[in-house]
Amino acid sequence: GEDVEQSLFLSVREGDSSVINCTYTDSSSTYLYWYKQEPGAGLQLLTYIFSNMDMKQDQRLTVLLNKKDKHLSLRIADTQTGDSAIYFCAEYPGTYKYIFGTGTRLKVLA
Amino acid sequence: ETGVTQSPTHLIKTRGQQVTLRCSSQSGHNTVSWYQQALGQGPQFIFQYYREEENGRGNFPPRFSGLQFPNYSSELNVNALELDDSALYLCASRSRGADTQYFGPGTRLTVL
Repeated sequence: GEDVEQSLFLSVREGDSSVINCTYTDSSSTYLYWYKQEPGAGLQLLTYIFSNMDMKQDQRLTVLLNKKDKHLSLRIADTQTGDSAIYFCAEYPGTYKYIFGTGTRLKVLA
Repeated sequence: ETGVTQSPTHLIKTRGQQVTLRCSSQSGHNTVSWYQQALGQGPQFIFQYYREEENGRGNFPPRFSGLQFPNYSSELNVNALELDDSALYLCASRSRGADTQYFGPGTRLTVL
């Protein structure tokens, strides 16, 4: 199937780290992405990782990829209230379409 | 700001009507994809256009159709609107063979 799975909700306190998890389906996916969506807005590309990498760090963001388990995670260090949004993971199997998860709603408590 | 623009931002139609949504891709991007995002869901791929031709399609009926113009801008047309067509419609552009696509802000379509 083409189900990319994510947990629906995550709540953290300001200043803590957030970890958002994703399980994808296609082992041939060449790239995996994290997008952020704020209320009423489109999708903002946060970061992405090539399938031959295990980890990628970009400022406060760390992406971990476990190809064996088809598991992707996004860690946000020092989470701020402005990080409150819905986060989507997406896989790109190298065809023409990106397959998105249902999104994880992150709520940051002050 | 990604450089991808969409119009209109909001639209209200009634069942059975037809709608046209528009997208201008980021400069230099020749591939445009359209997605439907229902409330509380992730985006679902509708189709992709490259060089003015559809070259990939998701699980959407033929009443969803599109066009791409020589300047790479694109339209999404939906005929015989149904209530379930109410959603945020997102356009994304990229260069052919590029790693990443960039999304516009979307058009919110409400079908009554």
